[in-house]
Amino acid sequence: GESVGLHLPTLSVQEGDNSIINCAYSNSASDYFIWYKQESGKGPQFIIDIRSNMDKRQGQRVTVLLNKTVKHLSLQIAATQPGDSAVYFCAENRAGTALIFGKGTTLSVSS
Amino acid sequence: ETGVTQTPRHLVMGMTNKKSLKCEQHLGHNAMYWYKQSAKKPLELMFVYNFKEQTENNSVPSRFSPECPNSSHLFLHLHTLQPEDSALYLCASSQVGGQGRGSQHFGDGTRLSIL
Repeated sequence: GESVGLHLPTLSVQEGDNSIINCAYSNSASDYFIWYKQESGKGPQFIIDIRSNMDKRQGQRVTVLLNKTVKHLSLQIAATQPGDSAVYFCAENRAGTALIFGKGTTLSVSS
Repeated sequence: ETGVTQTPRHLVMGMTNKKSLKCEQHLGHNAMYWYKQSAKKPLELMFVYNFKEQTENNSVPSRFSPECPNSSHLFLHLHTLQPEDSALYLCASSQVGGQGRGSQHFGDGTRLSIL
């Protein structure tokens, strides 16, 4: 069925490295995408979103890239810090429907 | 006060108990949601309320009963739960309509354990 998925369940990086977390979606009608971060014992926290009329959006240390041709979404975190260790989810939304979440990638940052 | 508050944070109950989960949002949003989060699985949407009206019920068993008395409060009443219902239950809110689909803001969840 249609779903939003992530390529890797875990990602380990060194402090200071750049991290890239990937997500694939299956429905070309999806037009809104969100990245969430979930720390242990907490609920998902909004990081950044992007609409399908854009292919890149930048926030503070984070960048989301959208490639509609291959239905791929990525989250780039610059100069990764230990506090970035968490589970990262992508989610998609099509007009009139609820958000669909991927399974999540666990990012581990070692110092 | 944080945006979305859930109580209790932890709940242990037997299969024959009746309990309720509470969610309150302080963001002025008009939509509220219940999700179930189990280990190794994506978030599962359970219920959606827009302007206090239930607009979605994702084939959730009747032992889960939502209630939305106003746009700021959401409850999940639990009765005769099963061990497989043990999970983290997350509440979220968002603003729908107008400029469009805003992102959902989540509470920190209630960790539910069924004995």
